[in-house]
Amino acid sequence: AQSVSQHNHHVILSEAASLELGCNYSYGGTVNLFWYVQYPGQHLQLLLKYFSGDPLVKGIKGFEAEFIKSKFSFNLRKPSVQWSDTAEYFCAVTLLEDSWGKLQFGAGTQVVVTP
Amino acid sequence: ETGVTQTPRHLVMGMTNKKSLKCEQHLGHNAMYWYKQSAKKPLELMFVYNFKEQTENNSVPSRFSPECPNSSHLFLHLHTLQPEDSALYLCASSQAGGLAGYTFGSGTRLTVV
Repeated sequence: AQSVSQHNHHVILSEAASLELGCNYSYGGTVNLFWYVQYPGQHLQLLLKYFSGDPLVKGIKGFEAEFIKSKFSFNLRKPSVQWSDTAEYFCAVTLLEDSWGKLQFGAGTQVVVTP
Repeated sequence: ETGVTQTPRHLVMGMTNKKSLKCEQHLGHNAMYWYKQSAKKPLELMFVYNFKEQTENNSVPSRFSPECPNSSHLFLHLHTLQPEDSALYLCASSQAGGLAGYTFGSGTRLTVV
């Protein structure tokens, strides 16, 4: 079955530590990839997206993600986190041939950054 | 404000009640979506509307009934819900194809008692 898997459900780290969140998908065909973030009490926001071209994409707030096609992965990274990065992070996928662009999400990773 | 407005923000209803969730966007998008967000589960796509036509119904129970009267408004009508339907219901909109990403509303926190 087609799915989006996020490796960690819960991550706790200290400020200034580096963050990497794993995301794997099991779709055949060409995919569009997204990371969304949900800060406490707020709506889901787009962090970054990949359609084609350079597999290393940069998003808002210092986040970046790398698409590795051979590994069906799209991991999210930030070199040095801040307390304000405490949030839930969601990986999501659409299929290029899906003209309606239905977005399928992973289960999310809750990230807690301690001062 | 995201440009996608959902009302109410919170709703408590009994299992025999009938209520409706409302979503409104003025972003010029032509696709709208309902998602269910439950704790520790992936967001579940419920319904998709493109140009007011329903193009997806992901095996959602008939106690959930969507309505899209125009490309700016989307409703989710609820009746005889079960406690397990308690969740955060998210509305989103996008241009058809969703390549620019979705814009989400803040959601309606539904509790069924």
